[in-house]
Amino acid sequence: NAGVMQNPRHLVRRRGQEARLRCSPMKGHSHVYWYRQLPEEGLKFMVYLQKENIIDESGMPKERFSAEFPKEGPSILRIQQVVRGDSAAYFCASSPVSISGANVLTFGAGSRLTVL
Amino acid sequence: DQQVKQNSPSLSVQEGRISILNCDYTNSMFDYFLWYKKYPAEGPTFLISISSIKDKNEDGRFTVFLNKSAKHLSLHIVPSQPGDSAVYFCAASTISGGSNYKLTFGKGTLLTVNP
Repeated sequence: NAGVMQNPRHLVRRRGQEARLRCSPMKGHSHVYWYRQLPEEGLKFMVYLQKENIIDESGMPKERFSAEFPKEGPSILRIQQVVRGDSAAYFCASSPVSISGANVLTFGAGSRLTVL
Repeated sequence: DQQVKQNSPSLSVQEGRISILNCDYTNSMFDYFLWYKKYPAEGPTFLISISSIKDKNEDGRFTVFLNKSAKHLSLHIVPSQPGDSAVYFCAASTISGGSNYKLTFGKGTLLTVNP
């Protein structure tokens, strides 16, 4: 049973370009969570999605960032007009139902975005 | 405003000895605490957790202690092994608030266990 799969593992973009990061949850999981780790920082919550729904986007920057989790296919984190400050590792986690009680998040290996 | 603080960026111990990693938090609403371990180029892996109704949780070589009055928790690894060398993140959430998917992480402590 494959874990949470993220791709690309490494992405290089020039300032002003768009970055698309993909997350395929574990089989049978319909809830996805995105976190970002800036250099020398801990992970920070960005967004929580169910299939075709955004549940909590309180951690998403107000501009240039968007996320979706369509009925079919992976979840996509999209960053438009990237800037150097977007350089970070982006981690995705998934769960079969909404995390509750003492359940824990299982993370993928992450996508490292470098903006030149 | 950093709500979860790991004040030691790094820690080095000898194999077989005890490793003690510390974590402080400021938000009294946190009621669930976790430790994650992260190897380079991998995602964080869950290690151990503790609810605020407990003061100790043990799992094999790993024990987490929680001091609510001091808003402090620690992870003890004994005996330490070279394979334990990794970055350890302390994280906290609010289960009672229904948003326990929203973890607040510290910056991590790099543990090096020397053979």
